[in-house]
Amino acid sequence: DAKTTQPPSMDCAEGRAANLPCNHSTISGNEYVYWYRQIHSQGPQYIIHGLKNNETNEMASLIITEDRKSSTLILPHATLRDTAVYYCIVNFGNEKLTFGTGTRLTIIP
Amino acid sequence: EAGVAQSPRYKIIEKRQSVAFWCNPISGHATLYWYQQILGQGPKLLIQFQNNGVVDDSQLPKDRFSAERLKGVDSTLKIQPAKLEDSAVYLCASSLIWGPRGNEQFFGPGTRLTVL
Repeated sequence: DAKTTQPPSMDCAEGRAANLPCNHSTISGNEYVYWYRQIHSQGPQYIIHGLKNNETNEMASLIITEDRKSSTLILPHATLRDTAVYYCIVNFGNEKLTFGTGTRLTIIP
Repeated sequence: EAGVAQSPRYKIIEKRQSVAFWCNPISGHATLYWYQQILGQGPKLLIQFQNNGVVDDSQLPKDRFSAERLKGVDSTLKIQPAKLEDSAVYLCASSLIWGPRGNEQFFGPGTRLTVL
């Protein structure tokens, strides 16, 4: 019953921007979009979240389309340490996180 | 700031044995979560505590799994008896508050359980 669709894997060259897409065509008006990542053998790490407006923090930028049916996580200058599984999660903010299988991002030297 | 602590990091047991995992959340975090992550899958929530009360345990196999959070701080997750399919990484997470910002969860390193 995943609410999001992500590509299973992506590659990105080191130093380039990594753009990770997420489709959430059934998102409700009050649902947030969260992004987490999980580096090998570690617990997941919160990256960013947004509701309607684009968001930016020290780790990444989140671009949400105007109809909110899709979003893109942008890592502006990817490094080898950004190699991880990235999860896009949609929920109302006061309910449990439901992780799908995410996108496995590989940064290539 | 210290992160979420978990122990042990690894555990190997035989089926039908018992096992317990311990979690110490970030100081001041009211909400604590236990997740199960089977190889190749995303984490699945087993139980969520708000202080020392259970908020959601709908996916906890209660015939063999139990969890408690005494005094609203540390928590233990127990499996008794273990089955082969319980082999997984057990992750503990905590968050400061409930609501949208509460989904900024901080995860521990996890305990890798192997059931033989």
